[in-house]
Amino acid sequence: AQSVTQLDSQVPVFEEAPVELRCNYSSSVSVYLFWYVQYPNQGLQLLLKYLSGSTLVKGINGFEAEFNKSQTSFHLRKPSVHISDTAEYFCAVSISGGGADGLTFGKGTHLIIQP
Amino acid sequence: DAGITQSPRHKVTETGTPVTLRCHQTENHRYMYWYRQDPGHGLRLIHYSYGVKDTDKGEVSDGYSVSRSKTEDFLLTLESATSSQTSVYFCAIRDRSLSTEAFFGQGTRLTVV
Repeated sequence: AQSVTQLDSQVPVFEEAPVELRCNYSSSVSVYLFWYVQYPNQGLQLLLKYLSGSTLVKGINGFEAEFNKSQTSFHLRKPSVHISDTAEYFCAVSISGGGADGLTFGKGTHLIIQP
Repeated sequence: DAGITQSPRHKVTETGTPVTLRCHQTENHRYMYWYRQDPGHGLRLIHYSYGVKDTDKGEVSDGYSVSRSKTEDFLLTLESATSSQTSVYFCAIRDRSLSTEAFFGQGTRLTVV
């Protein structure tokens, strides 16, 4: 079975500063990796995904993530955050190439943007 | 937005009563999922479906049952609600290829008093 660890439950950062949200995963097989964002009282929206190929993945709203197989990490970054980026961010993993049993999520990181 | 509708959006119910939550999709996706979201736990899989009448248990299935009689509808039932089932419930869908992301509904906030 696969698992996901998000190392920080909360990350405060000043507006226009860079941010990195950390995600590590564990799996004995190849995986697909995802980052989702959840704004207050809303569902989850996909930010970006890694399926294969280039390890640097660009997503919506200026976010990007880098897949590092040796470190089993998939950290999310943004060079300059906005107040509107305040939200909960979830890293998720699924087995590549098969398996109907959904995505496994981390516990989430609350990104707090300070003016 | 993916065509996923959850109903009701909010519900308050009493301990011991049965509750059914509905997920309706218009995307004709094969796979459907029910998750619950709780502070400090992220999203945890309750049950999932890989076709009409084909369902299986997830990580936190105790106290829940599901049914899928049509491709578009996936029902989650709490046979006898308990306070520990107070949570936000999300339905998600995924297409055949399994290489893509899951699309989520807006969630149902359930309070068991």
